[in-house]
Amino acid sequence: QSLLTQPPSVSGAPRQRVVISCSGSTSNIGRYGVAWYQVLPGKAPKLLIYFDNLLPSGVSDRFSGSKSDSSASLVISGLQSEDEADYYCAAWDDRLDAWLFGGGTKLTVL
Amino acid sequence: QVQLVQSEAEVKKPGGSVKVSCKASGDTLTSYPIHWVRLAPGQRPEWIGWINAGNGNTRYSHNFRGRVTFIMDTRASTAYMELTRLQSDDTAVYFCARERYMFRGARRGNWFDPWGQGTLVSVSS
Repeated sequence: QSLLTQPPSVSGAPRQRVVISCSGSTSNIGRYGVAWYQVLPGKAPKLLIYFDNLLPSGVSDRFSGSKSDSSASLVISGLQSEDEADYYCAAWDDRLDAWLFGGGTKLTVL
Repeated sequence: QVQLVQSEAEVKKPGGSVKVSCKASGDTLTSYPIHWVRLAPGQRPEWIGWINAGNGNTRYSHNFRGRVTFIMDTRASTAYMELTRLQSDDTAVYFCARERYMFRGARRGNWFDPWGQGTLVSVSS
């Protein structure tokens, strides 16, 4: 089944580090680059990471990404209260011929 | 730097249609494909499809095929999405977004940036 699976929630204290995972398959993450988006309430998604681990201009280097086989991870270091948001991974799936988004992970900064 | 500005919120009745616009400023829409994605409360983002602004080619998600149409007005640098036969579960914020891509060897990576600000479509009787 072609799905991107994320943990529903993660939490961490200020200045700590959290990792959000995204599990896929060979038809998506295994063959195509992964992007990560941050969604704040009432706002448009914001690109955080593209092609697995590339940081767009203007995005804090506290955000980083990695990929291994058919899974990807987003790491947020030095947590700040403003990081509280929903985070989604996304990748093209060539079996479904469609873009897939993960189920989203809600980050709580304690 | 391109910005995408979408039309205002809409309220529609079941069975009706909605047309959402997405206007580009700072660059032409013909440079990259424009995708449409919706985000419903408590749901993951759902991809609707894309339009190649340069040649008008389209690709629709199977979930929306037959109900959605993408249109380009290149002179106005505006893309449109029309969704018909609306139901209550079509209530969502609809976004347009520009696709970018690159290759690392044979592997391709695509992403959406920037996004429009979103258009809330509410479907209720």
